[in-house]
Amino acid sequence: AQRVTQPEKLLSVFKGAPVELKCNYSYSGSPELFWYVQYSRQRLQLLLRHISRESIKGFTADLNKGETSFHLKKPFAQEEDSAMYYCALSPGTYKYIFGTGTRLKVLA
Amino acid sequence: GAGVSQSPSNKVTEKGKDVELRCDPISGHTALYWYRQSLGQGLEFLIYFQGNSAPDKSGLPSDRFSAERTGGSVSTLTIQRTQQEDSAVYLCASSLTGGRTDTQYFGPGTRLTVL
Repeated sequence: AQRVTQPEKLLSVFKGAPVELKCNYSYSGSPELFWYVQYSRQRLQLLLRHISRESIKGFTADLNKGETSFHLKKPFAQEEDSAMYYCALSPGTYKYIFGTGTRLKVLA
Repeated sequence: GAGVSQSPSNKVTEKGKDVELRCDPISGHTALYWYRQSLGQGLEFLIYFQGNSAPDKSGLPSDRFSAERTGGSVSTLTIQRTQQEDSAVYLCASSLTGGRTDTQYFGPGTRLTVL
């Protein structure tokens, strides 16, 4: 079955500390993976996608096919990073499977 | 240009009533998606449109749910005989072609409360 798992509902870290938001997926083919973010009172928006191998707002995510993971990382958390983060898998054209999300709280 | 818009932003209804939720996608986007966001459930895929056609309705939770899209643009999600478990935020998204690597652009959502 195609599935995205985000094991942490809530992650609290102090400002300046490293952050890792976990995402594991279940898919037998070649995955397209994404991270979407929803800041308070804003709409859900794309943060980054694995195919672009980009760093956005200091966040990076590496696809590990062996571990079927796509964890989101940032070396030094900032208060403005506090938001809801969703990992998503696109197994085929038009289909998206989202995880249940992780709420990140960055404490001052 | 304008992003995806949804109306109403909030809807409170009584159990058993019908509701209609509207989505205006980004102009030129051929793909349109409806999701349901419930507390602790993440985003649940409901239905996808390519143009006016809905090749995948597999996510609709029951036959009380239906959706249509006209003119390759506006879409309406209709819930008949609403139940309390229908309470959620309903999100609409559009993308340029529906391709696997397309970015989905989300609307602000409609918060539905069924009393």
